[in-house]
Amino acid sequence: DAGITQSPRYKITETGRQVTLMCHQTWSHSYMFWYRQDLGHGLRLIYYSAAADITDKGEVPDGYVVSRSKTENFPLTLESATRSQTSVYFCASKPPVGDTQYFGPGTRLTVL
Amino acid sequence: QKEVEQDPGPLSVPEGAIVSLNCTYSNSAFQYFMWYRQYSRKGPELLMYTYSSGNKEDGRFTAQVDKSSKYISLFIRDSQPSDSATYLCAMSAYEKLTFGTGTRLTIIP
Repeated sequence: DAGITQSPRYKITETGRQVTLMCHQTWSHSYMFWYRQDLGHGLRLIYYSAAADITDKGEVPDGYVVSRSKTENFPLTLESATRSQTSVYFCASKPPVGDTQYFGPGTRLTVL
Repeated sequence: QKEVEQDPGPLSVPEGAIVSLNCTYSNSAFQYFMWYRQYSRKGPELLMYTYSSGNKEDGRFTAQVDKSSKYISLFIRDSQPSDSATYLCAMSAYEKLTFGTGTRLTIIP
């Protein structure tokens, strides 16, 4: 089925480890986004991408790295995980026209 | 001060009641206004989308925008237990969305 998938859905890791969260969309949407959702803060934008090989920082980019070599994939890497990065991470995409974003099911990450 | 302010609730109302959810914003660059619904442990899903001041209806849902007051609302008529969720307002400028913190709504049967 078309849509956005995220993997893994749940991840437990330790402080200092590298973690990569995967996002895949089948709509060929040009824009893709990564958010984190925390109590009291709502959804905050980490990074976004307007097209393959074009990425830009959002509101809370520190400690995260993204890449986008293919239109359909937008992985998010935590190079050295910290406890403050424990959160639920959502990937979203949107077509080039319009502002509606479509969200994936989320990845629940716990950093011990 | 946050660009988008939303009462976090929680809000509990009896089944059949009219629900009013609200957000205020400060950024005049916001052009499009949305409401997302998020069920527990799920991703947000688009509920309503509007870009002009006034009301937009879709079934039991009405989205209201007042750009002069920088205020948006979502009304739910004849509320159902299945409406129990967190409701997020979102506003867009320059291809990006800014979200409110969400209001957790429970409809009591």
